Amino acid sequence: GAVVSQHPSWVICKSGTSVKIECRSLDFQATTMFWYRQFPKQSLMLMATSNEGSKATYEQGVEKDKFLINHASLTLSTLTVTSAHPEDSSFYICSAGGASNQPQHFGDGTRLSIL
Amino acid sequence: AQSVTQLDSQVPVFEEAPVELRCNYSSSVSVYLFWYVQYPNQGLQLLLKYLSGSTLVKGINGFEAEFNKSQTSFHLRKPSVHISDTAEYFCAVRNLNTGNQFYFGTGTSLTVIP
Repeated sequence: GAVVSQHPSWVICKSGTSVKIECRSLDFQATTMFWYRQFPKQSLMLMATSNEGSKATYEQGVEKDKFLINHASLTLSTLTVTSAHPEDSSFYICSAGGASNQPQHFGDGTRLSIL
Repeated sequence: AQSVTQLDSQVPVFEEAPVELRCNYSSSVSVYLFWYVQYPNQGLQLLLKYLSGSTLVKGINGFEAEFNKSQTSFHLRKPSVHISDTAEYFCAVRNLNTGNQFYFGTGTSLTVIP
């Protein structure tokens, strides 16, 4: 079945560092990918919609300059957390899918810990 | 905006007992409904989906859900749970009128007690 690969699975870094997270669709092309943030014991919060070849669409309240999204190919979207601070520590999950009547396939998530 | 409500944040249940996890969504004409399961430190895995047709849908691991349009509900059920079913369960709605985004409920933590 369709697989979405997310890398890295866990990253720990110092405050002020920029961190890049990759989301790849392994056996299908994805013109649209979604990035979510999940706090402990909470649901997924949609951060942005990543569109291949164009700018991402951000949800209200999400800082575009803080969370840079690049979707340069049909199989890869990246989320860069710029100048990360401890409050950015969270579980970030991406998803990708085909037609609207198909479910999204989720990556295994990236646990980001900023010290 | 679309909203999804999972009324029960935590559901403890004994092994081999039946369970129902509730999900209600705000009314909309064109929605698709999904249930996902999340194990610790992992992404989401699709349990089942409702797109159209029969209102009772069967998924993996013995789960099933029933779409009730009049009550705008999509409750998840399993007749006999196992220890391995302990996980977080999320109901999700995809609204075709608002850009195909997924909207998730707040999740229900299912704990199966031996």
